[in-house]
Amino acid sequence: AQKVTQAQTEISVVEKEDVTLDCVYETRDTTYYLFWYKQPPSGELVFLIRRNSFDEQNEISGRYSWNFQKSTSSFNFTITASQVVDSAVYFCALGNSGYALNFGKGTSLLVTP
Amino acid sequence: NAGVTQTPKFRVLKTGQSMTLLCAQDMNHEYMYWYRQDPGMGLRLIHYSVGEGTTAKGEVPDGYNVSRLKKQNFLLGLESAAPSQTSVYFCASSTRSGRRYEQYFGPGTRLTVT
Repeated sequence: AQKVTQAQTEISVVEKEDVTLDCVYETRDTTYYLFWYKQPPSGELVFLIRRNSFDEQNEISGRYSWNFQKSTSSFNFTITASQVVDSAVYFCALGNSGYALNFGKGTSLLVTP
Repeated sequence: NAGVTQTPKFRVLKTGQSMTLLCAQDMNHEYMYWYRQDPGMGLRLIHYSVGEGTTAKGEVPDGYNVSRLKKQNFLLGLESAAPSQTSVYFCASSTRSGRRYEQYFGPGTRLTVT
């Protein structure tokens, strides 16, 4: 069963628009970790945030913010005032049991001027 | 600190050829991982290692072998490459146990099998 669902395959916005990337996860564990990674066109994976299941506080880092809601098993990512440099593929990932990070299929974000 | 490095960055193989991808980390991490990324997919775990001399299978291990002879290195081998192994390969490392999901990724190796 897919453990991380990123229903939005591609999103296209115009610069300065706000955009939210959705992530829904599935786990029966009470202890788990959620992550967001950015993969720019250059291909590397850039770590953005880590959240554990006991910390439901939302987080803001500059133009980035994350909304973690255990009640809906969601960990959504919002970019405020998007910029062209935000164009990338964004992955949500879950660490719960075993050793692997379970990745969603990613959302490709295109920000146009 | 270089973090996690991968060699080579790009490689083209013909079907049936063999090759080894090298991953090295300088963070003294116990755990190391090999993932593959295919178009439209997230990363999937191929093999992992929880310490020098130990390896284990991940989600998609068929067609690959690994070795961890030194703590800082994790090798991924393809004995007889197939076009289905065309992918981008990422190595990662992490500290042990409770922090194992804080994985540091290398820059990736793009492999094409023709």
